Amino acid sequence: DQQVKQNSPSLSVQEGRISILNCDYTNSMFDYFLWYKKYPAEGPTFLISISSIKDKNEDGRFTVFLNKSAKHLSLHIVPSQPGDSAVYFCAASVSQAGTALIFGKGTTLSVSS
Amino acid sequence: NAGVTQTPKFRVLKTGQSMTLLCAQDMNHEYMYWYRQDPGMGLRLIHYSVGEGTTAKGEVPDGYNVSRLKKQNFLLGLESAAPSQTSVYFCASSRLTENTEAFFGQGTRLTVV
Repeated sequence: DQQVKQNSPSLSVQEGRISILNCDYTNSMFDYFLWYKKYPAEGPTFLISISSIKDKNEDGRFTVFLNKSAKHLSLHIVPSQPGDSAVYFCAASVSQAGTALIFGKGTTLSVSS
Repeated sequence: NAGVTQTPKFRVLKTGQSMTLLCAQDMNHEYMYWYRQDPGMGLRLIHYSVGEGTTAKGEVPDGYNVSRLKKQNFLLGLESAAPSQTSVYFCASSRLTENTEAFFGQGTRLTVV
């Protein structure tokens, strides 16, 4: 049973527009959420995170929103750039000793110029 | 600063052969993880370790064994490789502190024929 779900396998956006990637989770114990970006033939790289005590975290063009009641988070990229084209993974964890990150299946973002 | 290094980067095995994937990190991280990535399946946790000498099972541990004899190294073993273990394997590490990201290696592409 998937604990972290990314229901959109792919997303296509034009350069300059907003990209919104969504993620849902089922485990109410999760209290730390991360987004990773992955290019082909490379390892995932950390992008941005949010703790459950916040509902928004912003870093440059990237903003993550968390809706705890809906068990939903989203990543907004504004403006989108062709270099943002990659697979984006949502991950979640329980912030206590002995737990690991649980990942969703990923969403492939394509930004066209 | 090398970060997380995986050895080898590519390998082809015959069914029934054994091999060990090596992960080394130079960040003095306590936690280390092994994930596999398959098309449409995202990143699935195989095994992880919260410290030297300790290991734990993840989501898909069957057919794999691990060892963490030294803090900086985490080994993933396949005793008798099967075609279902054809995948890209990623190692990651993270600090012990709460709300921290994991750093990934470049991956090992394993094909079992």
